Amino acid sequence: EAGVVQSPRYKIIEKKQPVAFWCNPISGHNTLYWYLQNLGQGPELLIRYENEEAVDDSQLPKDRFSAERLKGVDSTLKIQPAELGDSAVYLCASSPDSAETQYFGPGTRLLVL
Amino acid sequence: AQTVTQSQPEMSVQEAETVTLSCTYDTSENNYYLFWYKQPPSRQMILVIRQEAYKQQNATENRFSVNFQKAAKSFSLKISDSQLGDTAMYFCAFMKTGTASKLTFGTGTRLQVTL
Repeated sequence: EAGVVQSPRYKIIEKKQPVAFWCNPISGHNTLYWYLQNLGQGPELLIRYENEEAVDDSQLPKDRFSAERLKGVDSTLKIQPAELGDSAVYLCASSPDSAETQYFGPGTRLLVL
Repeated sequence: AQTVTQSQPEMSVQEAETVTLSCTYDTSENNYYLFWYKQPPSRQMILVIRQEAYKQQNATENRFSVNFQKAAKSFSLKISDSQLGDTAMYFCAFMKTGTASKLTFGTGTRLQVTL
């Protein structure tokens, strides 16, 4: 069974530029999560989707971050414009439903110069 | 709000030896799950073991086992017969049951397995 797929694995951009990350969850998993992991820290939830509905986006900085999950499968997380402090690892995870174990993708490491 | 504390930033163990990683948590919930995840340098977060709070029996998974003390809010991970491939960051995480399924992570313990 294929795991959670994320792309790109690495991204280097200049500040004020836009950037987008893509996630393909495990087949059949209805719940999808985006986490932010700063260096030396544990991941923190940005947004959670149940199918195509964002049910918890309370930690998403909505002035510059946006996300979508069209058709309840793949998801895209966007930052526009990026700031130096956005340099981090962005992790995507999925689970069969909201009460189940979450499985993580390999993450995207973002460096903003 | 839940908090998870891992008080050991770094640990080292020799190959084939046993090591225990500590984790404490704070919650007012009665029903929840606890997890240990492993994150090697490749960065993929891998599930090691899961414990349901309603179960008194400690979870085991091959060389990995936990000591779950619900009253003390303690959830330690024991790795037996340590292998070089166990070198990684280990994160303890909490998730309450029900629809609000956010994982709350600790700050991690970096484990180095040496020859």
